[in-house]
Amino acid sequence: LAKTTQPISMDSYEGQEVNITCSHNNIATNDYITWYQQFPSQGPRFIIQGYKTKVTNEVASLFIPADRKSSTLSLPRVSLSDTAVYYCLVTFSGGYNKLIFGAGTRLAVHP
Amino acid sequence: DAGITQSPRHKVTETGTPVTLRCHQTENHRYMYWYRQDPGHGLRLIHYSYGVKDTDKGEVSDGYSVSRSKTEDFLLTLESATSSQTSVYFCASRFGTDTEAFFGQGTRLTVV
Repeated sequence: LAKTTQPISMDSYEGQEVNITCSHNNIATNDYITWYQQFPSQGPRFIIQGYKTKVTNEVASLFIPADRKSSTLSLPRVSLSDTAVYYCLVTFSGGYNKLIFGAGTRLAVHP
Repeated sequence: DAGITQSPRHKVTETGTPVTLRCHQTENHRYMYWYRQDPGHGLRLIHYSYGVKDTDKGEVSDGYSVSRSKTEDFLLTLESATSSQTSVYFCASRFGTDTEAFFGQGTRLTVV
């Protein structure tokens, strides 16, 4: 399963757009890119998943270039409540059973 | 949110005693997972299950065992707890390998 690399931490200010990039150079044809968010003292929760191009929901957008070797999670106009750890995962549609989380990106949003 | 609960939520135990944590889900999910999370770290996979009686090791399985006799329950056992197993434990479940996972509230385990 493809290994992912993302920044350890990021800082932003309220109202700004935040982009977190994840690299997954060895992504395979059947792999999806999935992002989770974790607040302190809580379990992670699913944010968004995509295969190619762009996916948008009420929380975030996910941009995936044609070569799929990286992806960018975009959080529009962040607020203090977006302070959390964000995990990028490569998930296999073909039945790979494990669900492996890396260290994630710790986003701190400041007033 | 999916119905996934962990019990107990908090536990303090002594070194050398056995401990069992329970994860219960009501979504008929096939896949279930146990993770540990230590301060400042991400989640590390301990064991997982891909069906009743089907389990396998994760990244940090030493000192842990699991059992899954029913679809809805996934038990994590520390046969002889050690202080290094003091951690927050999360369980998760999902329907398929390309579907979102749902996490429990976590169990804070302290081994003294």
